[in-house]
Order: sequence, then structure tokens, then C-alpha cells
Amino acid sequence: GQSLEQPSEVTAVEGAIVQINCTYQTSGFYGLSWYQQHDGGAPTFLSYNGLDGLEETGRFSSFLSRSDSYGYLLLQELQMKDSASYFCAVRDQGSNDYKLSFGAGTTVTVRA
Amino acid sequence: DAMVIQNPRYQVTQFGKPVTLSCSQTLNHNVMYWYQQKSSQAPKLLFHYYDKDFNNEADTPDNFQSRRPNTSFCFLDIRSPGLGDAAMYLCATSRDIELGFPHFGDGTRLSIL
Repeated sequence: GQSLEQPSEVTAVEGAIVQINCTYQTSGFYGLSWYQQHDGGAPTFLSYNGLDGLEETGRFSSFLSRSDSYGYLLLQELQMKDSASYFCAVRDQGSNDYKLSFGAGTTVTVRA
Repeated sequence: DAMVIQNPRYQVTQFGKPVTLSCSQTLNHNVMYWYQQKSSQAPKLLFHYYDKDFNNEADTPDNFQSRRPNTSFCFLDIRSPGLGDAAMYLCATSRDIELGFPHFGDGTRLSIL
């Protein structure tokens, strides 16, 4: 089985930096990914870490430490449009073929 | 252009009345998934198809069925919807199970009267 923990909500002002932590427990591990979901919309893929270290994509970066079963998503130069829910997800080899399981999500609210 | 298309965006049905949600994809991906997402919760996998092979999650109620008549289309059938089945239903596709990350459609929000 697998479980993921991430904070339920974060509030910050425009231009700030926000870090969303994710800790996980899995029976196997095939990478940590992050999804963004705006209210009423579909989850959209943001980033993936299969190996330890930092992956940078524009204003967003994601980090993984497999030895700590921990990762984070870093949102820089926050903009109002970044207000959304952010989900970490792990792929593990459980009983059902590399199932992708999601954390409960972190609601990020950006204030002017 | 939308690559994973779900119709309708909003569906209202009556308690106990069968309902079908549809999903189509233009990506030619091998895998199609159905997720259920309730308010402020994570998407929960119901089942997935790898080509024609159906894989049901152990805790998916028998009330939920799926059909995949061809590569492009996948349907979610709820035989007797209960009030607890009101949710957003998300269809997603990926190139394969091991390497692809799901691309989600915009979802169908199901309401039960």
C-alpha cells in the first residue's frame, strides 16, 4: 500500500515563494510527480522526479530525497493564477500494476 | 485542442437511475483511467484499461462498470447511483502503465437528485 502526506493549505502574497512538502510511504517506488488543479478544472501534470535532486521548470521546481521518502514543490514569484490545489503523487508497484496514487492536495491561495 | 474529452461536463441523474459518462482521446494512448474525485479530496482510481485488459481497483463498488469498445473511447457506467456517488469523474490516459503520466480530461461533475 501507499500513503502520502502534504499540508492542507498554504497562503502567500504575490511575488513570494511557497514550498509544499510531501512525505510518502510506498511498497515500491517509481517516482514522485506533482499536479496542479484549478477549481473546477482537471489536474495538469507539473513535474516528475525519478532520481534524487532538483528539477526546475520555469518558476516551479521539484525536489526528491528517496532516502527520506520526501519531496517538495517550490513555487517562486507567485502569481494570482497560481492559486490552485497541488497534489503530489507516487507511482508504486502494488498489487495493481504501477498504480499512481495521489496525496490529499494542498490548496494554495495567493493574495495581492 | 483538447486531447482527452469528457462529455457531458455536468450530469444530473436521479437516485437509482443508471447513468453513463463518456470519454474519448486523440492521443492514441494505450491506457485509459477513470478516477473519482470528491470535494477537497484526492482523485481516487476506480479502474483502468491497458488496451482491452480491464483492471479493477479492489475497493471500487460493483455499482461501477466500464467499457472500452475501441482505443479512443471509454465509458463509465453507474448502474444505480446513490447520493454518495455525487462527485467529479475524471478520465485520464497515458501512453503506458510504467512510464506515462496521466493526461486528464476536464471531468464530468455528477449530481444525484
